[in-house]
Amino acid sequence: AQSVAQPEDQVNVAEGNPLTVKCTYSVSGNPYLFWYVQYPNRGLQFLLKYITGDNLVKGSYGFEAEFNKSQTSFHLKKPSALVSDSALYFCAVRDMSKAAGNKLTFGGGTRVLVKP
Amino acid sequence: KAGVTQTPRYLIKTRGQQVTLSCSPISGHRSVSWYQQTPGQGLQFLFEYFSETQRNKGNFPGRFSGRQFSNSRSEMNVSTLELGDSALYLCASSQTISNTGELFFGEGSRLTVL
Repeated sequence: AQSVAQPEDQVNVAEGNPLTVKCTYSVSGNPYLFWYVQYPNRGLQFLLKYITGDNLVKGSYGFEAEFNKSQTSFHLKKPSALVSDSALYFCAVRDMSKAAGNKLTFGGGTRVLVKP
Repeated sequence: KAGVTQTPRYLIKTRGQQVTLSCSPISGHRSVSWYQQTPGQGLQFLFEYFSETQRNKGNFPGRFSGRQFSNSRSEMNVSTLELGDSALYLCASSQTISNTGELFFGEGSRLTVL
């Protein structure tokens, strides 16, 4: 069975500083990996995904993520955080088997607080 | 193009009642998935429908059910509500099934069970 871990419940960062949100995964076979963001009382918004190819994936709103197969990690990064980046971030993995369909397994989420 | 629409956005029920939530996917999307989000359990997969057929099911009791119509709209039903069913229920749509595309989520239906 696949699983995702987000080791930090909350990350605090000052505006303008780099932001990193950590994610590690466990799957059998090659993973499809995703990052989503959730603002208060809203649904999830897609940020970026890794399917195959370059290990550095660029996404929406200046976010990027680095896929590291040997460390089974997919950390989300932003070079310069904004106050508006304060939100709940979820890492997710999809099983590539046909039987799993589009089912995503989510990590527990990391709350990001960017202070002015 | 309109996004995923969920109705109602908020609702309050009492224990023992049942509830039906509705989801209209993005036009042209044929796969609809449902997730439950709670502070304690996080985001958990309920089920996925494609072409009016349930293709995958999560680990939830039989009180949780769903269906999909020919226009790809989906409903989920929870019968005999329990306090622990209080949650944000999220619907997500995708063009097809088992593809590399991302899921598009609605804003959710927040259910409170008293």
